[in-house]
Parts: sequence; C-alpha cells; structure tokens
Amino acid sequence: GENVEQHPSTLSVQEGDSAVIKCTYSDSASNYFPWYKQELGKRPQLIIDIRSNVGEKKDQRIAVTLNKTAKHFSLHITETQPEDSAVYFCAASMGTGRRALTFGSGTRLQVQP
Amino acid sequence: GAGVSQSPSNKVTEKGKDVELRCDPISGHTALYWYRQSLGQGLEFLIYFQGNSAPDKSGLPSDRFSAERTGGSVSTLTIQRTQQEDSAVYLCASSWQGMNTEAFFGQGTRLTVV
Repeated sequence: GENVEQHPSTLSVQEGDSAVIKCTYSDSASNYFPWYKQELGKRPQLIIDIRSNVGEKKDQRIAVTLNKTAKHFSLHITETQPEDSAVYFCAASMGTGRRALTFGSGTRLQVQP
Repeated sequence: GAGVSQSPSNKVTEKGKDVELRCDPISGHTALYWYRQSLGQGLEFLIYFQGNSAPDKSGLPSDRFSAERTGGSVSTLTIQRTQQEDSAVYLCASSWQGMNTEAFFGQGTRLTVV
C-alpha cells in the first residue's frame, strides 16, 4: 500500500517568514495530493490540493509543488501569520477511488509573533 | 447542506464494553473513510467504503474492530471489548465517488476507555 512520510514534525518560524513542509510517497500510481490543516481541537480541513498533471499550484500565500519523478511534494506558506499555527497533514491517493487517502504524520507549525 | 455528522461527540466507556460510533456522510458522497487520531498524533487509516465495492479493511487494528455502511449512506464503527489503547478521536470523512475531490471530515468522536 501507499506510505507517506512527512518532515519536519515540528516547525517554528517568525511571523512574516516562510514555512516549507515536505512529503514523500511510495506508490507511483498515486495522483492526488491534498494538504489539510488541523487547528487545535478541530477537524482537519483541506487548504490546497494538487493533481499529478500539474507541477505547482498557488492560492494566495499557499503553494504546493509536486515532483512525480522523485515522488515528493511540498507545501509552502509565505508571509506566515500567527493564525497559520496548526498541524498540517499531507496525503496521497489514487484518483480511481480504489484506495483511501493515506496521510503523513503531520507537522506542527508554530508562528511566533 | 449539512456536513459530515458524527455521534456521539464524546463517549466514555468501561474497559471490556462494546461501543458503536456513527457517521452520517454528506448526501451524495459515495466514499466514506474512518480514521483514528490519538492525542497529538497523525491520522491512522481504519477502513474505506467506496460505493458498492468491497470495503478496504486493511487498516483495522484487530478483529475487535468492524464497520458497516448501510444503504450506501450511514456508517457505524463498532469496537468490541474495548481496551484502554482504543482511546482516541475517531474521525469519519466522506468524498465524491471516484474523483480527486476533497474529503470532508466530521468533528470526530472522542472515545475514552476507563
């Protein structure tokens, strides 16, 4: 089955700095890569996703890059704000729907004011 | 419309008792997932239902765990003879069939086994 590894497990940045979280996956058939944000005590919510037919996607301060050859993808948050503090999870799945999302272990991001 | 709904929100049970956790997915979503999240940990896959296909049960940690989905909608996760290590938040999510679309999570059921 799919295996997703995520690094770092914790990340502390100063407000305004950029944050980068990296994930690798094992199944070359995976073609959908979402990122979820989970604030303390709340449910995970999708913040951005990318499909294997593109290499990069941006949404305001958030961007995701995908390297299918190397089987890794990354989340980039620019101009970080205290409200970005949360746990971020990457995930991977096959778009045929035959397999559930496999999540990484999470990154706890702390943005220091 | 309503999002994914889970009940109960919290459940405290004695070791050895059986528990049932319920998930109402978003109407029209044919994919349904159960995950477990221990305190401060990641999302551990348990089971996946997709339409009329046989469920993927590969994540169930033991034979004390089972799940069913009736009529392609509501799902129930059952844990028999609960153990303290079963204490966690159980999250349900649903998504549209067969497409690379967002999985929407419920608020979870916090299970505490005492």
